[in-house]
Amino acid sequence: DGGITQSPKYLFRKEGQNVTLSCEQNLNHDAMYWYRQDPGQGLRLIYYSQIVNDFQKGDIAEGYSVSREKKESFPLTVTSAQKNPTAFYLCASSPVAYGYTFGSGTRLTVV
Amino acid sequence: KNEVEQSPQNLTAQEGEFITINCSYSVGISALHWLQQHPGGGIVSLFMLSSGKKKHGRLIATINIQEKHSSLHITASHPRDSAVYICAVSANQAGTALIFGKGTTLSVSS
Repeated sequence: DGGITQSPKYLFRKEGQNVTLSCEQNLNHDAMYWYRQDPGQGLRLIYYSQIVNDFQKGDIAEGYSVSREKKESFPLTVTSAQKNPTAFYLCASSPVAYGYTFGSGTRLTVV
Repeated sequence: KNEVEQSPQNLTAQEGEFITINCSYSVGISALHWLQQHPGGGIVSLFMLSSGKKKHGRLIATINIQEKHSSLHITASHPRDSAVYICAVSANQAGTALIFGKGTTLSVSS
């Protein structure tokens, strides 16, 4: 079955460390997105990519980096520059036409 | 002001009750989405609407493009419906990011 796989489900990071969240899709979707969710707030866009080797900053890109070397993969790195990284991170994808598929999310905690 | 507003923020119901969650938006859209998020965090797409009404089981979604308003109804609510329901809109271009509301937390007790 096609879908989006996010890993890991839970991730713990020490202060000052970079961590990378994985997002893989086998839906042949062109566009992929990373969102962040904090308690009491709506999902906010971090980065998105509409084609391979191209990506755009979203509303809260500071402290994050991404790559899109393959159509199937859109990893997100949370760098040490992100001062408040504890949050729920959600990956999504969509085809050229409309419709979205969501991953199951990664919950990142700074320890 | 948020571009997508949901009400109510929290909703408590008894099993069997009819539930309505509202969503208003202020931007031009190509489609509106209703999503469900369970405590584990994963999100499931319930409906994508660009006009009219859609029904799936006990769930009904309606949209009024002129009024920029959508409603999600749950008939004969059940404890397993307890979740966060999120309204999101996509702008007038395919492949663009969604704009999300803050969600409505529904708790149904037996």
